[in-house]
Amino acid sequence: GDSVTQMEGPVTLSEEAFLTINCTYTATGYPSLFWYVQYPGEGLQLLLKATKADDKGSNKGFEATYRKETTSFHLEKGSVQVSDSAVYFCAHTRGTSYGKLTFGQGTILTVHP
Amino acid sequence: AAGVIQSPRHLIKEKRETATLKCYPIPRHDTVYWYQQGPGQDPQFLISFYEKMQSDKGSIPDRFSAQQFSDYHSELNMSSLELGDSALYFCASSPTGGQYNEQFFGPGTRLTVL
Repeated sequence: GDSVTQMEGPVTLSEEAFLTINCTYTATGYPSLFWYVQYPGEGLQLLLKATKADDKGSNKGFEATYRKETTSFHLEKGSVQVSDSAVYFCAHTRGTSYGKLTFGQGTILTVHP
Repeated sequence: AAGVIQSPRHLIKEKRETATLKCYPIPRHDTVYWYQQGPGQDPQFLISFYEKMQSDKGSIPDRFSAQQFSDYHSELNMSSLELGDSALYFCASSPTGGQYNEQFFGPGTRLTVL
C-alpha cells in the first residue's frame, strides 16, 4: 500500500549547519509530494510541494526535489536557524481532487545557537 | 487571508461521553478532511467529504461519525469515548481541483479523555 518513510530522528544541529531529512515513498500512480512543518503546540503548515518528477519545491530556504527514479523527496536547507526547530513531516497524495494525505512518521529538528 | 477554523481548541471529556468537533473550511473550499494525531505520532487520515458527500474513509472507528453541511462546514461526532481517543484532531480543506490537492490545515482540537 501507499506509505512514506522518513529518516529516524531526532536531528540536532548547530545554527548555520546543513540540513538533510530523507524521505522515500511508495505509491501507485503519480503522487504529489509535500513537506509540512509543525511548530510546538501548533497545527501543520505546508512548507513546500512538488507535483511531478524532477520538480523542485522551495520555500524559506528549504528545498526538495521529486525524484521518481529513487521515489524520494529529501528536504534540504543550507543554513538552519534556531527558529527552524520543529517537527517536519513528509507526505504524499495521489493528486486527485479529494485524495487523502499519507504522512511519514515525522522528524524532530532541534537547532542550537 | 482566511484560514481553517476549528472549535473548540481544547476539549476535556470523561470516558464513555460524547464529543463534537467542528470545522469551518476556507471560503470556496468544498473538500474537508479529518485527521487524528496521537502523541508523538504522524497524522492519520480519518474521513473526507466533497460537496457534502463522503469521498474517502480511513481508520475511523465505528463510534465516530462525521458529516459536511450545506455551508461546507463539517462536524466530527465521537461517542463512547475511550482513553485512546485522546489526540489532536485536525481538519483540513482544499478547493475543487485545488492545485494538486494542497490541503490547508486548521490549528487542531486537542481532545483529552479522562
